[in-house]
Amino acid sequence: AQSVTQLDSHVSVSEGTPVLLRCNYSSSYSPSLFWYVQHPNKGLQLLLKYTSAATLVKGINGFEAEFKKSETSFHLTKPSAHMSDAAEYFCVVSDPLTSYGKLTFGQGTILTVHP
Amino acid sequence: DGGITQSPKYLFRKEGQNVTLSCEQNLNHDAMYWYRQDPGQGLRLIYYSQIVNDFQKGDIAEGYSVSREKKESFPLTVTSAQKNPTAFYLCASSERQGRVQPQHFGDGTRLSIL
Repeated sequence: AQSVTQLDSHVSVSEGTPVLLRCNYSSSYSPSLFWYVQHPNKGLQLLLKYTSAATLVKGINGFEAEFKKSETSFHLTKPSAHMSDAAEYFCVVSDPLTSYGKLTFGQGTILTVHP
Repeated sequence: DGGITQSPKYLFRKEGQNVTLSCEQNLNHDAMYWYRQDPGQGLRLIYYSQIVNDFQKGDIAEGYSVSREKKESFPLTVTSAQKNPTAFYLCASSERQGRVQPQHFGDGTRLSIL
């Protein structure tokens, strides 16, 4: 069985400072990993994905994530937060054993950005 | 623009009533999914369909039903058997089967009990 743990339920930063959202995963096989963002009353938007190519993945809006197999981590970072980054972020792992790539979602991290 | 359209955005259900949530996609995706989202929890899979006229139960299918008569449409019915239907429902689709294809999401339907 696979699982995802987002280590912080809430993260608060000031505008212009770095963002770090932490995610650990558990998977018996080489996983595919995703980060999604959700703004209030909206669907989920894909930020980036890791699919066993480069371990440092660049996404949209200046976000990036690094896959570290030895630490089973896939943390999301951004050098400088913007007010529009305030949202909920989900770390997601795809199960390679299912024919349709079943997704397991983390509990979510709410990012607050202060002016 | 291609995307996923969910309707209505807000829906209210009376006790003992079935309600149907619409999901339409024009991305030409084979696979479609329904998720339920509750506050403080991640998304949980209700049903999924990999091809027209075929669908499978997800982790929390009890009290729900679906159909997949057309590639672009995957409606979800919340039946009276679902005792706690208040939640945010999200529909998604993906290009094809397989673990590396990300899912694309609609903007959701919020269902409440009257």
